[in-house]
Amino acid sequence: DSGVTQTPKHLITATGQRVTLRCSPRSGDLSVYWYQQSLDQGLQFLIQYYNGEERAKGNILERFSAQQFPDLHSELNLSSLELGDSALYFCASSVGTTPAGELFFGEGSRLTVL
Amino acid sequence: GDSVTQMEGPVTLSEEAFLTINCTYTATGYPSLFWYVQYPGEGLQLLLKATKADDKGSNKGFEATYRKETTSFHLEKGSVQVSDSAVYFCALSEAGAGSYQLTFGKGTKLSVIP
Repeated sequence: DSGVTQTPKHLITATGQRVTLRCSPRSGDLSVYWYQQSLDQGLQFLIQYYNGEERAKGNILERFSAQQFPDLHSELNLSSLELGDSALYFCASSVGTTPAGELFFGEGSRLTVL
Repeated sequence: GDSVTQMEGPVTLSEEAFLTINCTYTATGYPSLFWYVQYPGEGLQLLLKATKADDKGSNKGFEATYRKETTSFHLEKGSVQVSDSAVYFCALSEAGAGSYQLTFGKGTKLSVIP
């Protein structure tokens, strides 16, 4: 158990809909990262928050947004969903933002868009 | 930008066989290098890491050496077990603008048969 909690574990929805994925980081970790894992693209970094502020942005679509709340949990919002958004979405956390720091991953939220 | 290339799988080995999974990287500076492992139905977890050239990371019988001259970080294990069956990801991180993000390879699926 990494200490990172993601909900829901599985989600099935239709094209055009909006969903919210939730992540609770490990106790004491200030950074939260979101990654998308798909068969064709592999693991893609989406966005990072540190202590409530956006710190880095990767290949995140404009239809996607995220935020980190004062209690440090984070939510990833996916809107106007398309079939291609079907993927496993991972949240990870770390203590800070040092280059050699370890990331702790949750078990992921599997999104299926029909 | 930064990138990681690792050998494509899947790789199938018999128990007690020798394992090598190749990984090469492209980076502008001096990244830290990692191997993460993903067991079925779980999130990624750190297997080992190396933060500078010629460092050797090791854990659970796995080893990898940071080779700057060949920009490589190949994963090796002398004798694999069935319990090593998983997907292995090579990754690098490079600090920038006060944050860092992991760039992953596409993963190599290893199956070990008794």
